[in-house]
Amino acid sequence: KQEVTQIPAALSVPEGENLVLNCSFTDSAIYNLQWFRQDPGKGLTSLLLIQSSQREQTSGRLNASLDKSSGRSTLYIAASQPGDSATYLCAVINTGRRALTFGSGTRLQVQP
Amino acid sequence: DAGVIQSPRHEVTEMGQEVTLRCKPISGHDYLFWYRQTMMRGLELLIYFNNNVPIDDSGMPEDRFSAKMPNASFSTLKIQPSEPRDSAVYFCASSLGGNPVDTQYFGPGTRLTVL
Repeated sequence: KQEVTQIPAALSVPEGENLVLNCSFTDSAIYNLQWFRQDPGKGLTSLLLIQSSQREQTSGRLNASLDKSSGRSTLYIAASQPGDSATYLCAVINTGRRALTFGSGTRLQVQP
Repeated sequence: DAGVIQSPRHEVTEMGQEVTLRCKPISGHDYLFWYRQTMMRGLELLIYFNNNVPIDDSGMPEDRFSAKMPNASFSTLKIQPSEPRDSAVYFCASSLGGNPVDTQYFGPGTRLTVL
């Protein structure tokens, strides 16, 4: 059974700092990996999707990498802003399946 | 497009009552998913449909839960009878079919409180 772990569970940084969020998964037979953002009391917003054949994806200040063989992904946020404060969730889709398996998330607070 | 639409946004009910949650997926999407989010268990899949047909319901906790998709633009998740431990946020998501697997788009969720 796929298990997804995110470290750290919570992170507080000053504005402007670059930061890395970590995600690991136990079963490397994945279709893709997706990073989401969740604001308090709100739904999930997709940030980046990395196909299993890809190594990284970039969108603005965000860069996500994938090392499928080692079961790891990182989300890099450059020049963090208070508006980046949210919970970031990592999720994978396993081969032969369509549903996402989620990690427990990293709660990020960017201090102005 | 309006995105995935869920109703109601909030539901408060008493134990033993029937609860029906509703979802309208993004037009043209072939897959519809129901997830549940709790503090203890995080986000987990309940059931998903492909072209209105249930494919994987292994996450449905017990017979009190049922889900239907009578057409491509509407799905319901029903809990009968409801229990306090069903209190959670229920999300609906949809995605296109095809290969590779596409991004899942989530609705705003329904926050259910069972007293």
